[in-house]
Amino acid sequence: EVQLVESGGALVLPGGSLRLSCAASGFTFSAYNFNWVRQAPGRGLEWVSYISSSGTIYYDDSVKGRFTISRDNAKNSLYLQMNSLTDEDTAVYYCARAGYGDYVDYWGQGTLVTVSS
Amino acid sequence: EIVLTQSPDFQSVTPKEKVTITCRASQSIGSSLHWYQQKPDQSPRLLIKYASQSISGVPSRFSGSGSGTDFTLTINSLEAEDAATYYCHQTSGFPRTFGQGTRLEIK
Repeated sequence: EVQLVESGGALVLPGGSLRLSCAASGFTFSAYNFNWVRQAPGRGLEWVSYISSSGTIYYDDSVKGRFTISRDNAKNSLYLQMNSLTDEDTAVYYCARAGYGDYVDYWGQGTLVTVSS
Repeated sequence: EIVLTQSPDFQSVTPKEKVTITCRASQSIGSSLHWYQQKPDQSPRLLIKYASQSISGVPSRFSGSGSGTDFTLTINSLEAEDAATYYCHQTSGFPRTFGQGTRLEIK
């Protein structure tokens, strides 16, 4: 069974940093591409970042230069390092696997990041 | 950036009704359009991939059509459990984008 379990969400001050993790199981992690997708309270889904199995990376302009996506295939884990956080980054962050063909086929349960003073 | 515009934003429907949600892309994306269902306090769930391809485990009342810039999600014979927000999502290019969502309320 495919499982994606995010962790690391917390309350953080504006300007602060946070590192999210996503632990994957039930499939060959190294063979898949991944996304981070976020959802602000009461809002829609917003794509944040993507990392391919070979390490190709993309970011949305809203996080470029502040967020860094990475993966550790030995640990079956995906990460999102978030720096210079603002209140607009407040959201539930989902780890989302991209299936063959690159559409998101599985989502984690999400981890809440709250940026507030 | 490819902008996806869904309509309607909200619809109140009765059980057994047929529902159609549309998603329009700001430029041609071929068939790289996927549909998701999100119920309150849950993660999204894949309903349809590549505009019209069905997903194992998804009820057959959900179907998709379209290509290029205009896409449709159809729910035949709506059930109470279909109350949710529905999103379209494109994987034609980066940045990836989602539609703004369509919330379905069951009367």
